[in-house]
Amino acid sequence: GEDVEQSLFLSVREGDSSVINCTYTDSSSTYLYWYKQEPGAGLQLLTYIFSNMDMKQDQRLTVLLNKKDKHLSLRIADTQTGDSAIYFCAESIGSNDYKLSFGAGTTVTVRA
Amino acid sequence: NAGVTQTPKFRILKIGQSMTLQCAQDMNHNYMYWYRQDPGMGLKLIYYSVGAGITDKGEVPNGYNVSRSTTEDFPLRLELAAPSQTSVYFCASSSDTEAFFGQGTRLTVV
Repeated sequence: GEDVEQSLFLSVREGDSSVINCTYTDSSSTYLYWYKQEPGAGLQLLTYIFSNMDMKQDQRLTVLLNKKDKHLSLRIADTQTGDSAIYFCAESIGSNDYKLSFGAGTTVTVRA
Repeated sequence: NAGVTQTPKFRILKIGQSMTLQCAQDMNHNYMYWYRQDPGMGLKLIYYSVGAGITDKGEVPNGYNVSRSTTEDFPLRLELAAPSQTSVYFCASSSDTEAFFGQGTRLTVV
C-alpha cells in the first residue's frame, strides 16, 4: 500500500528558511509533489519532482529527493508571512501517475 | 478561466438524506478525481475517472457513487448520508502531471 508521512507543524521566523520533510513508501512513484493549501481554499500545486531527479530548484523553493531513503523535502528560502499555509506532500501511486496519495499536511506558521 | 468549479460550498445534511456534489472543469482534462479531507489527515481518494464513461474506485469509495457522462462533469452522489461522511470534499482534474483542485465542499451530516 501507499503511505505518506510528514510532521504536522512547523513554526519559522520571517526571513528564515523553512524545511518541510516527508517520507513515502511507494518506490515505484513516478512523481512526487508539494501542494499548498491556504485557509478555505483548495490545494495549489507548488512544485513537483520526477523520481529520477535528486534536486529541483524553482525560485525560493528547493526540493530534495532521496530515493534510497524515500525521503522528500521542501525548502522555502526567505520565508514570508504569505507562506503561512498547510503544505502537503504527495506521491503518484505506482505507475498510475494521475492518482495521488497525500500526507496529512504540515501547518507552517510564519512569525514576525 | 474558471478551472475546477464545485457546488455547493457548504451543506448540512440529516442522516439518511441524499445529495449530489457537483464538479465541473473547463480545461478539457481527461482525468478527474474526488477526494475527502478529514482533520489531521491527508486527502483520501474516493473515486476517479480517466475519461468520459469510465470511473473507478479509489481508497475510500464506500457510501459514494459517481458518474462521468461528459468530459466536463464528474458529480459525486451520497445516497444515505452518515455522520462519518462529514468532511471537506475536493474535486480535481488533471492532464499529465499537475492536478487542479476546486475550492472544496464542506459537508456536515447531523
